[in-house]
Amino acid sequence: GAGVSQSPSNKVTEKGKDVELRCDPISGHTALYWYRQSLGQGLEFLIYFQGNSAPDKSGLPSDRFSAERTGGSVSTLTIQRTQQEDSAVYLCASRSTRDGYSPLHFGNGTRLTVT
Amino acid sequence: AQTVTQSQPEMSVQEAETVTLSCTYDTSESDYYLFWYKQPPSRQMILVIRQEAYKQQNATENRFSVNFQKAAKSFSLKISDSQLGDAAMYFCASQNYNQGGKLIFGQGTELSVKP
Repeated sequence: GAGVSQSPSNKVTEKGKDVELRCDPISGHTALYWYRQSLGQGLEFLIYFQGNSAPDKSGLPSDRFSAERTGGSVSTLTIQRTQQEDSAVYLCASRSTRDGYSPLHFGNGTRLTVT
Repeated sequence: AQTVTQSQPEMSVQEAETVTLSCTYDTSESDYYLFWYKQPPSRQMILVIRQEAYKQQNATENRFSVNFQKAAKSFSLKISDSQLGDAAMYFCASQNYNQGGKLIFGQGTELSVKP
């Protein structure tokens, strides 16, 4: 079966432009997570979805960042008016339930470069 | 606040030898999970091993084992008989039972394996 799919795999954009990053979780996975990994750093939690709702948005760094999930499946992370500090790898992960017994499956990420 | 700290940015081990990666964490919860993930250059996050905090017995997965010291809030990873394919970035992570399943990651340890 297919794993978590993210697109694009790489994105180069100019400062000030908006970008959309897409995540297709594994079919049937109700929980979906977005993380950001800056160069040489650990993974920084951004937002968590359970179904279509986002009970935890505590990691979104500013109001330029938003995310949505439709049909309990695909999620889109949008960054408005991109800044150079937004350059990072954005990782998406999903799991069938939110407890720790259910393994977290990661996509290969989108590398965002803001010039 | 939930935090995870990896104090070794880089480690090196000779092929076939044993290496231990350190991790400490802090949480106010009594119920939680701990994880080690491996991230090769492909960016794919791979679950190495998982430990439930209520279990006193240390988890093992083939050549990988942990030393879980709950009172000290320490969770180290031991890799035995190191192989060239073990070279990667290793992340320690914690997950509280009641916070939607989000994982909090440490900064990572870059492991190199010398032939």
